Amino acid sequence: DVKVTQSSRYLVKRTGEKVFLECVQDMDHENMFWYRQDPGLGLRLIYFSYDVKMKEKGDIPEGYSVSREKKERFSLILESASTNQTSMYLCASGGAGRAWDTQYFGPGTRLTVL
Amino acid sequence: EDKVVQSPLSLVVHEGDTVTLNCSYEVTNFRSLLWYKQEKKAPTFLFMLTSSGIEKKSGRLSSILDKKELFSILNITATQTGDSAVYLCAHNSGGSNYKLTFGKGTLLTVNP
Repeated sequence: DVKVTQSSRYLVKRTGEKVFLECVQDMDHENMFWYRQDPGLGLRLIYFSYDVKMKEKGDIPEGYSVSREKKERFSLILESASTNQTSMYLCASGGAGRAWDTQYFGPGTRLTVL
Repeated sequence: EDKVVQSPLSLVVHEGDTVTLNCSYEVTNFRSLLWYKQEKKAPTFLFMLTSSGIEKKSGRLSSILDKKELFSILNITATQTGDSAVYLCAHNSGGSNYKLTFGKGTLLTVNP
């Protein structure tokens, strides 16, 4: 079974703080993704990575950065958290080639920025 | 810009009913269409569809794709309260920059 884990289920931070969200997958997948999910807006892609140290912007990268130093680990960084970044953050991973199509999701981190 | 539209946005049924959830898409390139189920946690994969007219089945759930009319449906027969969830449809455009475009989801509530 594919397992994708995220460092925290719930997180509360203050405006201006630097926030790290970590994601780890155990299936040796090449591709990893960070989404945010908001009511009425659905899932939106923030960043994805197709290899170690490689990254691509998704639909809403502003205010975020990412890091992928090891294949199994993909971090999302909020350099200076703002209240409009309060959301559910979901990490996903997927394989290469045809296996790209199926992404496996972690349990999510509900982030509240006060 | 790729677009995925799901309907209805929400649906309330009684146990035992059959439901049909809709997903239409407007995309520049087509690779596959996916269905996910999301309860109070991460989305879990249900189906991937790549060819028109071929039904995918898993127990009481089934799905089919129409690439000519650009839509897919997800059917659930003999619904149970455990089917209550948000059902997400996503399109994969493939290409060099892999990306899933999600619809906003259909919230299904199955009452006993």
